[in-house]
Amino acid sequence: GNSVTQMEGPVTLSEEAFLTINCTYTATGYPSLFWYVQYPGEGLQLLLKATKADDKGSNKGFEATYRKETTSFHLEKGSVQVSDSAVYFCALGERDMRFGAGTRLTVKP
Amino acid sequence: DVKVTQSSRYLVKRTGEKVFLECVQDMDHENMFWYRQDPGLGLRLIYFSYDVKMKEKGDIPEGYSVSREKKERFSLILESASTNQTSMYLCASSSGPPLDEQFFGPGTRLTVL
Repeated sequence: GNSVTQMEGPVTLSEEAFLTINCTYTATGYPSLFWYVQYPGEGLQLLLKATKADDKGSNKGFEATYRKETTSFHLEKGSVQVSDSAVYFCALGERDMRFGAGTRLTVKP
Repeated sequence: DVKVTQSSRYLVKRTGEKVFLECVQDMDHENMFWYRQDPGLGLRLIYFSYDVKMKEKGDIPEGYSVSREKKERFSLILESASTNQTSMYLCASSSGPPLDEQFFGPGTRLTVL
């Protein structure tokens, strides 16, 4: 069945550092891929998405490219801010939505 | 502004009690979902519904049931709460195919003593 594996955390970075959170997936069909973010005390909200191979999703300086050949959808940001501290979830959507375990990011000033 | 609301942010119940978690969305979405979120396990799908009166089991339905009498409301029921059901419960809704963006409520943190 479909599944998502994402990089274990927690991840701690200094402000302005480069961020990568790895995500790989297993799917039988042609799913859409998503990154969701959960800020403290809140529900999940969509950060970005890509619906087909080679699509790049981007939002708030974050980017991820749908790579079918490596079955990956890694999240990147060139310069993180303290306000980016949150838990990030990679997800795969086909008939239903499958989530990774989540990666907690802490950015220190 | 789109909204998914859940009846309680925090709930404390005793073992054996029947527990109702309510979720309401105001976006006229066809699809609604219940997840539980546990550290290190991410989100696990309990039940989902693609239409009124319709429900399907997710990955971990044991010990839970659901009700969807109206399009905007999706209730999760713990028939007899147990301590291993202590968790964060998240409700979500989406339009069109399930692979479309899901909108989440703020969550209910349930503690079963």
